[in-house]
Amino acid sequence: DQQVKQNSPSLSVQEGRISILNCDYTNSMFDYFLWYKKYPAEGPTFLISISSIKDKNEDGRFTVFLNKSAKHLSLHIVPSQPGDSAVYFCAALNRGSTLGRLYFGRGTQLTVWP
Amino acid sequence: NAGVTQTPKFRVLKTGQSMTLLCAQDMNHEYMYWYRQDPGMGLRLIHYSVGEGTTAKGEVPDGYNVSRLKKQNFLLGLESAAPSQTSVYFCASKGQGNYGYTFGSGTRLTVV
Repeated sequence: DQQVKQNSPSLSVQEGRISILNCDYTNSMFDYFLWYKKYPAEGPTFLISISSIKDKNEDGRFTVFLNKSAKHLSLHIVPSQPGDSAVYFCAALNRGSTLGRLYFGRGTQLTVWP
Repeated sequence: NAGVTQTPKFRVLKTGQSMTLLCAQDMNHEYMYWYRQDPGMGLRLIHYSVGEGTTAKGEVPDGYNVSRLKKQNFLLGLESAAPSQTSVYFCASKGQGNYGYTFGSGTRLTVV
């Protein structure tokens, strides 16, 4: 049973516009959320994170929003650039767990076209 | 500063053959993980380790074994490879007090 869901396998956006990637989770014990970016033939790399005590975290063109009541988070990329084309994974963590395990969604392939 | 290094990067096996994938990290991280990535399935946890000498099963452990004899190394073994094990394998590590993983660049394994 997937505890982190990314229901859109793909998203196509024109360069300069906003990209919005969505993620839902089911486990109310999750209190820390991360986004990873993955290019072909490379490992995932950390992009941005947010703690459950916040509802927004911003880093340059990337902003993550968290809606705890809806168990939903989103990643906004503004403006989108062709180099942002990659697979984006949402991940969640229960910081109280000794296992330190991240639970990943299945990923969303973002394509930014000129 | 290599981070997480996976060897080999590519491998083709015949059904029934065995092999070991090596993951090495130089960050003194306690936690190490093996994932497989398949199209449409995302990252699925195979096995993990919370410290030297410890291992535990993840979501899809069948057909795999692991060992963590040294803190910096986490080995993933396939005793008798099957075509269903064709995948890209990623190793990751995490330090105590950190929340995110550092991933290796992956091993692409094809079983024919």
